Amino acid sequence: NAGVTQTPKFQVLKTGQSMTLQCAQDMNHEYMSWYRQDPGMGLRLIHYSVGAGITDQGEVPNGYNVSRSTTEDFPLRLLSAAPSQTSVYFCASSYSRDRAYEQYFGPGTRLTVT
Amino acid sequence: GQSLEQPSEVTAVEGAIVQINCTYQTSGFYGLSWYQQHDGGAPTFLSYNALDGLEETGRFSSFLSRSDSYGYLLLQELQMKDSASYFCASNTGGFKTIFGAGTRLFVKA
Repeated sequence: NAGVTQTPKFQVLKTGQSMTLQCAQDMNHEYMSWYRQDPGMGLRLIHYSVGAGITDQGEVPNGYNVSRSTTEDFPLRLLSAAPSQTSVYFCASSYSRDRAYEQYFGPGTRLTVT
Repeated sequence: GQSLEQPSEVTAVEGAIVQINCTYQTSGFYGLSWYQQHDGGAPTFLSYNALDGLEETGRFSSFLSRSDSYGYLLLQELQMKDSASYFCASNTGGFKTIFGAGTRLFVKA
């Protein structure tokens, strides 16, 4: 099992550009989520999904869109990048919504917006 | 609102025991998780408490008191490799997880 994979590892964007951060898991996990981590801060939930076709907003959803067309994939789209979105983005998954307390994280994408 | 408070830094000596505290204010509280994150790495799950009391996993133990809205992570027989950031996280109804800002643990020889 590869676990949770994320691409790209690093990305630099100019203000106003859009892009999609990819996330995939091969553990047949029901629950997937996206977090951002800023220096000296914990992880903040952006969006989450409790199954294919079902998504919902977390703490900081503005400026981001998600979709979940398959169990495996949960891409995060930045609609119009802003310097405030410079951060490390982590995708995570867990077996089910009832076990969302135990999440498996991908290696992260380090995004810089200039 | 929902928040979790933990100390920003803790320093301890190799071989010692260290306790990292976490107090929380969250609605719909289900339980408290702990994660470890090394510099440049991804968080990894350590333990979870849904009920009051102590959970032990090897050198790590975690404690929860729901009446005090308080928990802690206890690390025994500290090793240099335990130098990392530790996050408490509140699981609210299984759908959303809120993280504390993290405690950076420095283990000195």
